[in-house]
Amino acid sequence: GAVVSQHPSRVICKSGTSVKIECRSLDFQATTMFWYRQFPKQSLMLMATSNEGSKATYEQGVEKDKFLINHASLTLSTLTVTSAHPEDSSFYICSASRNSNMNTEAFFGQGTRLTVV
Amino acid sequence: AQSVTQLGSHVSVSEGALVLLRCNYSSSVPPYLFWYVQYPNQGLQLLLKYTSAATLVKGINGFEAEFKKSETSFHLTKPSAHMSDAAEYFCALRGSQGNLIFGKGTKLSVKP
Repeated sequence: GAVVSQHPSRVICKSGTSVKIECRSLDFQATTMFWYRQFPKQSLMLMATSNEGSKATYEQGVEKDKFLINHASLTLSTLTVTSAHPEDSSFYICSASRNSNMNTEAFFGQGTRLTVV
Repeated sequence: AQSVTQLGSHVSVSEGALVLLRCNYSSSVPPYLFWYVQYPNQGLQLLLKYTSAATLVKGINGFEAEFKKSETSFHLTKPSAHMSDAAEYFCALRGSQGNLIFGKGTKLSVKP
């Protein structure tokens, strides 16, 4: 099956610093990728839709200036958490699909555990 | 609005027993439904998906799910639980943007 690679898997950073998370589709091109956030013992909530070559679409309540998304190529999307605070600590997961068909499987990255101290 | 409800945040079964994880959905359009499994600190792996071709869908690791339109349900089952099945399971519905709308998840524990 297709592989989506997410890096890093774990990161600890100091409050006020920025952290970049990468999401790569290794064997297919993805014009659209999705970024989710998962709070402890809760479900995944869509943060934003990353579109190659254009601005990301953010869900209501997600600060676009805090969570910067760049989809510079058909195989790479990055999420940068700027000026991180302890409340940003969470599990972030990206996903991508081979195409936009509704019945197409979404492949997920391994996730990134962010801890802000 | 589209939504997914998973009944039971935690299900515990004995090894060899039937596994039943419940999922109900709400959608104004024909739904595309998925079941994913998540192991601790990992991403999600697809178990199976419903795409309207057949109401009984077979997935990996012996899991299957039946789509029942009249009940707006897509429950996940496995005849005989194995210790390795212990994980978090998510039911998901494809949203209009192509994203997935997830249920809150059900943690499955398997007792020896």
